[in-house]
Amino acid sequence: RKEVEQDPGPFNVPEGATVAFNCTYSNSASQSFFWYRQDCRKEPKLLMSVYSSGNEDGRFTAQLNRASQYISLLIRDSKLSDSATYLCVVNDSWGKLQFGAGTQVVVTP
Amino acid sequence: EAGVTQFPSHSVIEKGQTVTLRCDPISGHDNLYWYRRVMGKEIKFLLHFVKESKQDESGMPNNRFLAERTGGTYSTLKVQPAELEDSGVYFCASSHLAEPSAAGELFFGEGSRLTVL
Repeated sequence: RKEVEQDPGPFNVPEGATVAFNCTYSNSASQSFFWYRQDCRKEPKLLMSVYSSGNEDGRFTAQLNRASQYISLLIRDSKLSDSATYLCVVNDSWGKLQFGAGTQVVVTP
Repeated sequence: EAGVTQFPSHSVIEKGQTVTLRCDPISGHDNLYWYRRVMGKEIKFLLHFVKESKQDESGMPNNRFLAERTGGTYSTLKVQPAELEDSGVYFCASSHLAEPSAAGELFFGEGSRLTVL
């Protein structure tokens, strides 16, 4: 069983629409949670951290449900530049990050 | 400020040969990590240095892989001898926080793509 499971997509989203997706993680002792973004053939970059109370960063909203061990990301008013692979990342300890395989989002004009 | 830099960006070698990948972390970052993505799979942790010491090398696949960080600055990852299944993208990351908390992050390099023929 994978440590972090994600729907690979692709999620095809019209520009301006809202898209949401989530991931599940297996280690209940995981300490912190992140969404990273990875563009094609580039390095992963931190998009946002995920807090238990839920948090928002502009058009992006992240939620964490520790009881059910899932993390979600919602993108509002999608832009063409949001097209990327979104990696669900769980920090078990000391920066030993567990990555999901990624969810591909394609925003279309 | 320079980011994490990796060299080479792409290396093509034959099975049985040796390859050495280099990573220069962001200046002042004591924590350096190696990760790897093989085709079709998720990014996987290899090991973690704190300065020149190996904090965690539980992700290293086998003894064909050797990582060093002499002097606590740049790091090298040597694969000797390379096998076909070693092909993938090797990412280096650094952080100034010992424990990336909710407020912390890892800064990744663009990766070194290794192709073993």
